[in-house]
Amino acid sequence: EAQVTQNPRYLITVTGKKLTVTCSQNMNHEYMSWYRQDPGLGLRQIYYSMNVEVTDKGDVPEGYKVSRKEKRNFPLILESPSPNQTSLYFCASSRRGSDNEKLFFGSGTQLSVL
Amino acid sequence: TQLLEQSPQFLSIQEGENLTVYCNSSSVFSSLQWYRQEPGEGPVLLVTVVTGGEVKKLKRLTFQFGDARKDSSLHITAAQPGDTGLYLCAGARNNAGNMLTFGGGTRLMVKP
Repeated sequence: EAQVTQNPRYLITVTGKKLTVTCSQNMNHEYMSWYRQDPGLGLRQIYYSMNVEVTDKGDVPEGYKVSRKEKRNFPLILESPSPNQTSLYFCASSRRGSDNEKLFFGSGTQLSVL
Repeated sequence: TQLLEQSPQFLSIQEGENLTVYCNSSSVFSSLQWYRQEPGEGPVLLVTVVTGGEVKKLKRLTFQFGDARKDSSLHITAAQPGDTGLYLCAGARNNAGNMLTFGGGTRLMVKP
C-alpha cells in the first residue's frame, strides 16, 4: 500500500531535549516536505527536499533541521525543542516538487513540549 | 498574515443543507488544490483546479477557480454527515519546491 509513515504519532517531551520525528515513503517520490499545523493557521511549511541530499527552508524553518540521505526517508530534527514548537506535524511527499503534483500526507505527529 | 483566507472558519449545518466555503487571496496562484482532513489523519487531496474560471465536480462537491486565479470556492449540495471534516485550500505559488500556501481551513460539521 502506497503510504507516508510518520513516527511517533504522539510525543511529549521537555524543553531542550533533542528529538527526531521520522518520515518514510514507499512510493519512490522525489519530493518530501514537513509542515506544522496550528489552529487557524493551516499548514505551514518547515523544510522541503527536492531529492536526495537536496534540502531547503520553507516558511518556518527556525528551530528545525532535516536530512535526506536516502530517497525514502526525511527525518525532522529538533535539536533543542521549545514550548512554541508544540504542534501537529505532517510529513508529505509527491512524485516531483512542482505545481499540480498531488501531495500524500502522513497521519501526523502530535508533539507537546513542556 | 494568511496569504489565503478561508471563510467561514467554522460551519455547523443539518444534513441535507447546501453550503459554500470560500478561499480568497490578493495573490495570483498557478493552481489551487482543495484537501479534506479528518481527525487523526493527514489531509487528502480532493481536487486541483488550474485554469481561471474552471469548474470541477466531484459527486456533490463543486469546485470553482476564480477568473483571475486569486480565489476559489467549494460548494456542497445536500451535505451528509460523512462530509464532516476540515477543508483546506492550498495555492501553488509557481515556485518549485516551496509548492503550496495553505489557508487556515474551514471546519465543517454536518449533523444528522
